[in-house]
Amino acid sequence: AQTVTQSQPEMSVQEAETVTLSCTYDTSESDYYLFWYKQPPSRQMILVIRQEAYKQQNATENRFSVNFQKAAKSFSLKISDSQLGDAAMYFCAYRSAYSGGGADGLTFGKGTHLIIQP
Amino acid sequence: GAVVSQHPSRVICKSGTSVKIECRSLDFQATTMFWYRQFPKQSLMLMATSNEGSKATYEQGVEKDKFLINHASLTLSTLTVTSAHPEDSSFYICSAPAGGSYNEQFFGPGTRLTVL
Repeated sequence: AQTVTQSQPEMSVQEAETVTLSCTYDTSESDYYLFWYKQPPSRQMILVIRQEAYKQQNATENRFSVNFQKAAKSFSLKISDSQLGDAAMYFCAYRSAYSGGGADGLTFGKGTHLIIQP
Repeated sequence: GAVVSQHPSRVICKSGTSVKIECRSLDFQATTMFWYRQFPKQSLMLMATSNEGSKATYEQGVEKDKFLINHASLTLSTLTVTSAHPEDSSFYICSAPAGGSYNEQFFGPGTRLTVL
């Protein structure tokens, strides 16, 4: 079974600064997807960024980027120019790429509560 | 992006009663949907995979007789919490993959269940 570990229960950053959220995972599979989701107080899950394991290039989405280290099974999220609207719970998630239609449930880490200081 | 709705958003019930939660994909069809449970200040835990036209697949430790899942159509899955007890109080979230190269999952807004 796969596991996802987020070792930072809470992180705080000054507005406009950069913050990195850590995530490690354990799997015996070679092909999979990794995700970062944001859950604001509304509880709606919002996809921030995704990474396919077979791609060496790190994914980026505007102010969000990842550092994917497959051998180390590490998948950290960097948020640049932090904004007040970035305040939320952030979950790292894993999904196998081996199910027939790619339809597998996600395995989530415990989450990191990100606080943005004005 | 694709939209997934859930109904109701909040429900309060008495211990021993059953509660049905609906998950709908509004602008796409989903042969598979997923049900998650989230306790306060905790992560989402996959409960089961809902399969259109066949039985749901439950994760280890989830009681299938307590959490009944029916995938009635390509746009609707329901989760029924039977004989609910206070320990079933939680936030229940569904998701549905919308196809494409990533088969990205879209999440519903969740249902807060409180059992008195």
